[in-house]
Amino acid sequence: EVLLVESGGALVQPGRSLRLSCSVSGFNFDEYAMSWVRQAPGKGLQWVGFIRSNKGYGGTVEYDASVKGRFIISRDDSKNIAYLQMTSLRAEDTGVYFCTRTFMGRYDYWGRGTLVTVSS
Amino acid sequence: SSELTQPPSVSVSPGQTARITCSGDTLPKEYAYWYQQRPGQAPVLLIYEDTERSSGIPDRFSGSTSETSVTLTISGVQAEDEADYYCLSANSIGTSWVFGGGTKLTVL
Repeated sequence: EVLLVESGGALVQPGRSLRLSCSVSGFNFDEYAMSWVRQAPGKGLQWVGFIRSNKGYGGTVEYDASVKGRFIISRDDSKNIAYLQMTSLRAEDTGVYFCTRTFMGRYDYWGRGTLVTVSS
Repeated sequence: SSELTQPPSVSVSPGQTARITCSGDTLPKEYAYWYQQRPGQAPVLLIYEDTERSSGIPDRFSGSTSETSVTLTISGVQAEDEADYYCLSANSIGTSWVFGGGTKLTVL
C-alpha cells in the first residue's frame, strides 16, 4: 500500500523557519519525483515545487515564483523522506501542505497534509 | 507560469451532465490534468494527459480538448460528485506548474 505522511506543521511567527517532512512507503521512492502543493484556508490548490528523482534526473528542483529563494525542497532516498525547508515565512504561507508522488503532472498519491500557520 | 481559468461554480441536477472548462495560453499545447477534492480530503487524480482516466476512476469522468481549452465532463452526475475540481498544467519546458482556480460542483 502506498502511503505518504506529512509532518512538521506548526504555528510559527513571521520571519521564522520551519521544515516539513514527507515520509513514504509502498513504492520505490528513489524512482519518483516528489511535489509539494499547498492550500490556504478556504482557497484553491497552489503548486509549490518539486524535486526530480536522483536516478537519471539529478534530483534537480523547481519552485513557484512565490517561494523561490525562501523554500528548499530536498530528499533523502536512504530514508524515503522528502523535505520542504521554509524560511522567511509570511502570513500568506499559511495553509495545509501536501506532498505528492509525481510523474509529470500525475500526482497520483497524496498525503493528508500538515497545517502551517504563520502568525504573531 | 501562465494562468489557468476555471468557472468558480457549476450546478447540475443528479443524472445530468456537468462540464467544467479550463482555459489558458499553454492549453492544449501542454497536457492538462484534473483533480477532485472533497471537503477535508486530499485531492484525487481523475484525468491525466488531457483524456486518460486514472486508475479506479469511474468512466462517467472524461476529459477532452479544444483549440484553447480543456474540459472535464461528468456524465450522469451523482450526489457523491459534489466537490471542488482543479485543472493543472505546466509551462512548455515543465519547470513551472499551475493549478486553475478551482470549480465548485454543486449537485442540486
